[in-house]
Amino acid sequence: KNQVEQSPQSLIILEGKNCTLQCNYTVSPFSNLRWYKQDTGRGPVSLTIMTFSENTKSNGRYTATLDADTKQSSLHITASQLSDSASYICVVSPSTGTASKLTFGTGTRLQVTL
Amino acid sequence: NAGVTQTPKFQVLKTGQSMTLQCAQDMNHEYMSWYRQDPGMGLRLIHYSVGAGITDQGEVPNGYNVSRSTTEDFPLRLLSAAPSQTSVYFCASSNPGQYLGYTFGSGTRLTVV
Repeated sequence: KNQVEQSPQSLIILEGKNCTLQCNYTVSPFSNLRWYKQDTGRGPVSLTIMTFSENTKSNGRYTATLDADTKQSSLHITASQLSDSASYICVVSPSTGTASKLTFGTGTRLQVTL
Repeated sequence: NAGVTQTPKFQVLKTGQSMTLQCAQDMNHEYMSWYRQDPGMGLRLIHYSVGAGITDQGEVPNGYNVSRSTTEDFPLRLLSAAPSQTSVYFCASSNPGQYLGYTFGSGTRLTVV
């Protein structure tokens, strides 16, 4: 069964600190991995998309890494801000395009405090 | 552009009532999907459409119907609401291609009592 596991479930950090969120997946075959940010009461918003041939992708202070051999990904947030407080969801697709194939993780809830 | 618009944002139903959750997108996306999000679980696919006139079931389709008469609209119908359908519902759209992400609506929070 295709699965996406994220850790930690929740995390509290001080503003200005860095943090790393983890995503392990068993989806096969693998096409691409996406990280989404979901603010409370809002829909998920795409941060990065990586294919199996990409190791790193950045979007501002967000840097995602992918190791397709070990089936692991991480999302690193640099110099965190209060606005980074949200849930971060890892999503894996085994094929291109079709909506039916996405497997969602349960998310990591990040809280950035003063 | 408005992106993906969902209405209503909140709804309370009594068990057995029916209703339609509306979803509209203005990006001319081919793909549209409905997901539900429950505490401690990842988003689960209810129904999806790869184009006007074409729909298919996702992971949890029971109790829901959809239709896609136009590219822009993809309503989700609850036939006879049950407490197990209490959830947050998200509509998403995309065009085919592995480099493209999905655009999600802001969600409808449904409570069935």
